[in-house]
Amino acid sequence: KAGVTQTPRYLIKTRGQQVTLSCSPISGHRSVSWYQQTPGQGLQFLFEYFSETQRNKGNFPGRFSGRQFSNSRSEMNVSTLELGDSALYLCASSRAFRTGPSSEQYFGPGTRLTVT
Amino acid sequence: AQSVTQPDIHITVSEGASLELRCNYSYGATPYLFWYVQSPGQGLQLLLKYFSGDTLVQGIKGFEAEFKRSQSSFNLRKPSVHWSDAAEYFCAGGYSTLTFGKGTMLLVSP
Repeated sequence: KAGVTQTPRYLIKTRGQQVTLSCSPISGHRSVSWYQQTPGQGLQFLFEYFSETQRNKGNFPGRFSGRQFSNSRSEMNVSTLELGDSALYLCASSRAFRTGPSSEQYFGPGTRLTVT
Repeated sequence: AQSVTQPDIHITVSEGASLELRCNYSYGATPYLFWYVQSPGQGLQLLLKYFSGDTLVQGIKGFEAEFKRSQSSFNLRKPSVHWSDAAEYFCAGGYSTLTFGKGTMLLVSP
């Protein structure tokens, strides 16, 4: 079974630009979560999507947004990039259910975003 | 607030020696608990998970972890470390979203 895939793997953008990252979950997984990893803040939860609906949201500004498609693939968008947005963005999928807690999360390789 | 704490930022272990990485959690109720490993430039790989039941859980690559409710701990152990185990290890807790510890970098000396 194929794992979680993320594209692109590396990205360099300039301050003020916007960026879109893509994530394809494991087949059959309906929940997709996004995390930001930086050396200073560690791993921080951005948001979770289930069945095309944002179900949970972390403490990030509105410049960070996402969506999920009917095939469970997900994208996240960051507008008006800042230098502090440079990070590894990780996507995770899980075999979640409409109610109750999710099963374990499986992570993709991440997208390394550098903002200059 | 929910939190996961890994007290050790770095640990150095000799190859062949035993390993224990510490993790403490703070939740209103017992959360689901996980250990992940991350090699440089890679994503996170799930080592093992605890949902309920047996407090000693077995994972991949010879790792195990013990859940101790009285100590709010979920420590990761391995009886004999290999050089390939050098990586960063993350403890995480939660239900549908995960809260991660800051990670412990494991260095393996020859």
